[in-house]
Amino acid sequence: DQQVKQNSPSLSVQEGRISILNCDYTNSMFDYFLWYKKYPAEGPTFLISISSIKDKNEDGRFTVFLNKSAKHLSLHIVPSQPGDSAVYFCAALSTSGTYKYIFGTGTRLKVLA
Amino acid sequence: DGGITQSPKYLFRKEGQNVTLSCEQNLNHDAMYWYRQDPGQGLRLIYYSQIVNDFQKGDIAEGYSVSREKKESFPLTVTSAQKNPTAFYLCASTFMAQGYTEAFFGQGTRLTVV
Repeated sequence: DQQVKQNSPSLSVQEGRISILNCDYTNSMFDYFLWYKKYPAEGPTFLISISSIKDKNEDGRFTVFLNKSAKHLSLHIVPSQPGDSAVYFCAALSTSGTYKYIFGTGTRLKVLA
Repeated sequence: DGGITQSPKYLFRKEGQNVTLSCEQNLNHDAMYWYRQDPGQGLRLIYYSQIVNDFQKGDIAEGYSVSREKKESFPLTVTSAQKNPTAFYLCASTFMAQGYTEAFFGQGTRLTVV
């Protein structure tokens, strides 16, 4: 049973436009959500996170929105740049009990110049 | 220079052999994790450890073993019982502290069965 889902395996966006990556989860016990960026044959790098008690967190070009009632979060990248082309993973963390990160399957973003 | 180091970067294993992947961190992190990535799939949790001398199975622990004898080290052994070991393996670590959420990843080890 997949607790964290990214239903779009790929996304193409023109340079300068907005990229919106989506993530859904099923477990209400998650209290943090994170986004990671990954290039081939490298480890993921942390981008931005959000606590379950907030609905928005912003860091430069990256903004994460959380809709708890829908169990949905999204990452907005504005403006998109060619260097943003990578695979983006959504992750969920429960800090009570197991303290483990559950990842989605990833979305491959391609920013077209 | 603090970080998390995985070695080797590439590893080849013959059928029936056990191999051990190294993961070392000098960040004084509490928890450590092993994930596996297959083409087109996400990161699946193999094992994790919150404290020294203790670890828990993740979603795909069969055919793998780990140890946590030191806080900074969390080696993963891929045994001959793992039927499809060819994959990209990632180690991660983090502080278990209130409000701290980011897990740091190593650069990964690509294991190929030949």
